[in-house]
Amino acid sequence: GENVEQHPSTLSVQEGDSAVIKCTYSDSASNYFPWYKQELGKGPQLIIDIRSNVGEKKDQRIAVTLNKTAKHFSLHITETQPEDSAVYFCAASRGTNAGKSTFGDGTTLTVKP
Amino acid sequence: DVKVTQSSRYLVKRTGEKVFLECVQDMDHENMFWYRQDPGLGLRLIYFSYDVKMKEKGDIPEGYSVSREKKERFSLILESASTNQTSMYLCATDGGSDTQYFGPGTRLTVL
Repeated sequence: GENVEQHPSTLSVQEGDSAVIKCTYSDSASNYFPWYKQELGKGPQLIIDIRSNVGEKKDQRIAVTLNKTAKHFSLHITETQPEDSAVYFCAASRGTNAGKSTFGDGTTLTVKP
Repeated sequence: DVKVTQSSRYLVKRTGEKVFLECVQDMDHENMFWYRQDPGLGLRLIYFSYDVKMKEKGDIPEGYSVSREKKERFSLILESASTNQTSMYLCATDGGSDTQYFGPGTRLTVL
């Protein structure tokens, strides 16, 4: 089955700096790669996703890049703010209607004011 | 907006009790999932369902069962709760777009 590894497990940055979280996956058939943000006391929420026919996608301060050959994808957050502090999860799936995703172990991001 | 609700935010049960965790969604999604979340282990899939009365085992189904009698409701059952089932339980739905919508979670403590 699919195996997703996520690094780092914790990340601390100063407000205004950039943050990068990386994930690798093992199943070459995976073609959908979402990123979820989980704030304290809440369930994860989708913040950005990418499909394997695209190399990069951007939405304001967040971007995701995908390297299918190397089987890795990354989340980039620029101009970080304290409200970006949360746990971030990457996931990979084959994008079928069954929707079964494999998640990384999560990264706890702390943005210091 | 998709709304996924879970019956309890916090639950405390005793070893050996039968525990029901309920999840309800209001968006007519076919796919529903139960995960448990433990520190350092991410989200691990327990069971999922892609239709009423259908269920599939996930990665860690042992000690759990599920029920989906209606499309909007997916229940997770711990037949005989044990202390190693103390965890955060998350329900999620997916309407076929691959994006999962999560409920707020139930933090279960088994004493």
